[in-house]
Amino acid sequence: GEDVEQSLFLSVREGDSSVINCTYTDSSSTYLYWYKQEPGAGLQLLTYIFSNMDMKQDQRLTVLLNKKDKHLSLRIADTQTGDSAIYFCAERIGNQGGKLIFGQGTELSVKP
Amino acid sequence: DTGVSQDPRHKITKRGQNVTFRCDPISEHNRLYWYRQTLGQGPEFLTYFQNEAQLEKSRLLSDRFSAERPKGSFSTLEIQRTEQGDSAMYLCASRETSPRDRGQLNSPLHFGNGTRLTVT
Repeated sequence: GEDVEQSLFLSVREGDSSVINCTYTDSSSTYLYWYKQEPGAGLQLLTYIFSNMDMKQDQRLTVLLNKKDKHLSLRIADTQTGDSAIYFCAERIGNQGGKLIFGQGTELSVKP
Repeated sequence: DTGVSQDPRHKITKRGQNVTFRCDPISEHNRLYWYRQTLGQGPEFLTYFQNEAQLEKSRLLSDRFSAERPKGSFSTLEIQRTEQGDSAMYLCASRETSPRDRGQLNSPLHFGNGTRLTVT
């Protein structure tokens, strides 16, 4: 079945790098996404990676994909207090209408 | 603002009442999705539309829930005889697809800010 797992909490100091990890089970995933959710708000798309790529970099964000191990990570360089939020990993399964399966979210806390 | 719009932002209702939420997607987006998010969890898929056609419904969508998208633009989600377990954030998302590539184009889902439902 389809399942996406994330660790629940991560705490870092301002200026450090944050690495948020995610594992998924469905090998037919086509795209994998990272969304950010601030309190009381909807989900903001941060970045995504196609399943035949290993890495994608977008400014402070680096996504690494290990398709063999079904492991996805999001690295945030120079983490700022404004990065404190819940980060969701999501997979898009092929031929399922574009719907996404989400993990339970990782709460990132950035301490000054 | 041309993003996905949801109304109301918050709804408090008594158990047993009916509620209806509205979602206005981004105007050129032909696919519209409803998700439910409970506290401490990720969003769970409920249903989605391609234009006015409802193409898939999750098992989470009990017979008390009904969603419509009559003209292929805005959508409504109605919950009848609400229960306390229905308390959650209801999120709407939309994306565009190209008929030529049968929806495989990676246009990502764009989410609204959600409607938070509290059933007392």
